[in-house]
Amino acid sequence: DSGVTQTPKHLITATGQRVTLRCSPRSGDLSVYWYQQSLDQGLQFLIQYYNGEERAKGNILERFSAQQFPDLHSELNLSSLELGDSALYFCASGTGDTEAFFGQGTRLTVV
Amino acid sequence: DAKTTQPTSMDCAEGRAANLPCNHSTISGNEYVYWYRQIHSQGPQYIIHGLKNNETNEMASLIITEDRKSSTLILPHATLRDTAVYYCIVRVALGGTSYGKLTFGQGTILTVHP
Repeated sequence: DSGVTQTPKHLITATGQRVTLRCSPRSGDLSVYWYQQSLDQGLQFLIQYYNGEERAKGNILERFSAQQFPDLHSELNLSSLELGDSALYFCASGTGDTEAFFGQGTRLTVV
Repeated sequence: DAKTTQPTSMDCAEGRAANLPCNHSTISGNEYVYWYRQIHSQGPQYIIHGLKNNETNEMASLIITEDRKSSTLILPHATLRDTAVYYCIVRVALGGTSYGKLTFGQGTILTVHP
């Protein structure tokens, strides 16, 4: 158990819909990272927040957005979903320079 | 972040040492070498990291060459549960612009067989 909690574990939704993925970081970790893993793309970095502020951005689509709340949990919002958005979405937390710990992921299926 | 090169796949017999190589010839002085693994769609698991010196923990050993252009992850006694994709990642230390972002490549698929 990494100490990072992601909910829900599985999500099935239709094209065009909007979903929210939630991540609770390890106690004391200020950084939250979001990754997407699809079969043909590997693990792709989406975005990082540090203590509530966006710190780094990767290959995140404009239809996707994230935020980190004062209690340090984070949400990843995916809208206007397409079939190609089906993937595993991982959240990781850390304290900047140390190792990052990953949650078990949310498996999103868009039908 | 520096790019890494790893073999696509490797095999190892159970109980033997698994030696996973990684090339990072463009590594900078302030970049660490990290190793993670991912077991069948689970979240990636941190294994070990180092800057210059060799490192050892309860999971593995990390050997970094003197010029820091390559490294080897050693699992001393591989078990079937070590079958996974192993990722070698070079990551900027504190204060760098990437500020902790991990960039994953394709990794090495390690298969441990009986």
